[in-house]
Amino acid sequence: NAGVTQTPKFQVLKTGQSMTLQCAQDMNHNSMYWYRQDPGMGLRLIYYSASEGTTDKGEVPNGYNVSRLNKREFSLRLESAAPSQTSVYFCASRTPWGGTEAFFGQGTRLTVV
Amino acid sequence: AQSVTQLGSHVSVSEGALVLLRCNYSSSVPPYLFWYVQYPNQGLQLLLKYTTGATLVKGINGFEAEFKKSETSFHLTKPSAHMSDAAEYFCAVSGDNQGGKLIFGQGTELSVKP
Repeated sequence: NAGVTQTPKFQVLKTGQSMTLQCAQDMNHNSMYWYRQDPGMGLRLIYYSASEGTTDKGEVPNGYNVSRLNKREFSLRLESAAPSQTSVYFCASRTPWGGTEAFFGQGTRLTVV
Repeated sequence: AQSVTQLGSHVSVSEGALVLLRCNYSSSVPPYLFWYVQYPNQGLQLLLKYTTGATLVKGINGFEAEFKKSETSFHLTKPSAHMSDAAEYFCAVSGDNQGGKLIFGQGTELSVKP
């Protein structure tokens, strides 16, 4: 099993460009998450999807959109990238019960210049 | 609303010394609590979790944590640090009826000196 797969692993964007980060999981999990990791800030929740067909804002949703394409896939889109969005982005998934473990992808390192 | 506070962004210990990483949480519902570890340039992996029952939980690599409801704490300990424990550690909180939201703390970087 691959677990949680994120693409791309690295990306450099110019200010104002758009891009979509892809995430897929093969564990039949209902819930999926997008986080950004910045030094000293920990992991901050951008958006999450408790189940297929639903999405909700997290702590830092501004500048991002998401799509829960199907049960396996949850994408994160930057419509007009800004330098403040330079970060490492992690996708995660788990079953919807609050006490279950979340499984993480390897991350996407995004630089906006 | 849920939140997590990790006291100390960086902790340094000598090899063989006690490791203590602090985590306090806030939750409007009974919490589920987690500790994750992140090695350089990798994703996160679960160390241990508290759901219900025994308040002292044991995890991988000799780590354990104790849930103290009265102190709203979930501190992570290991009796004897090893060089391979050097990593970043994250505490996280979740709860039922919260739409599956999983909230992390700011992280604590652990350094182990020889």
